[in-house]
Amino acid sequence: DQQVKQNSPSLSVQEGRISILNCDYTNSMFDYFLWYKKYPAEGPTFLISISSIKDKNEDGRFTVFLNKSAKHLSLHIVPSQPGDSAVYFCAASVLISDSWGKLQFGAGTQVVVTP
Amino acid sequence: GAVVSQHPSRVICKSGTSVKIECRSLDFQATTMFWYRQFPKKSLMLMATSNEGSKATYEQGVEKDKFLINHASLTLSTLTVTSAHPEDSSFYICSALKQGAVTGELFFGEGSRLTVL
Repeated sequence: DQQVKQNSPSLSVQEGRISILNCDYTNSMFDYFLWYKKYPAEGPTFLISISSIKDKNEDGRFTVFLNKSAKHLSLHIVPSQPGDSAVYFCAASVLISDSWGKLQFGAGTQVVVTP
Repeated sequence: GAVVSQHPSRVICKSGTSVKIECRSLDFQATTMFWYRQFPKKSLMLMATSNEGSKATYEQGVEKDKFLINHASLTLSTLTVTSAHPEDSSFYICSALKQGAVTGELFFGEGSRLTVL
């Protein structure tokens, strides 16, 4: 059973505009969430994370929002750049436990940034 | 930043043979490493947790006799796909948890593409 869901398999956005990627989770035990960027035939690259004690975390062009009551998080990229074109994975884990590091991934969203 | 290296990056083998994939943390010690598998256009699926000096912990549905994991040192974990079959063809990715890490210090390897003929 997929505990982390990314319902949009793809997203096309114009350069300079905002990209919004969504992620939902079902396991209320998750308390730490991460976003990764991945190119074909490469490992994921960490982008940004958020703990469940926060509802927003910002790092440069990337902002992650967490809505615990809705079990929903989103990644905002602004402004989008052509180099942002990749697959973005949402991942979740339980931080304060022996399970830290065991990530449950969503299916990914392919982002294409057009000039 | 910390680097995790996988070798080989690509391997092609015949059905019935065994293949070993290495995951190394190059500039830090990792007491725990994780192995994932990714099918085409699918999510990364956690296969097992590899702990240095002890047996790996496998996720439900993952055959431990099929996917042998050894974490012999603080910088190396290996995944051996035994008696490989075409359905084992996949992209295998490891991640390493930096010893004494603060939140977020989990690093992924570049992945290894296995093709079983």
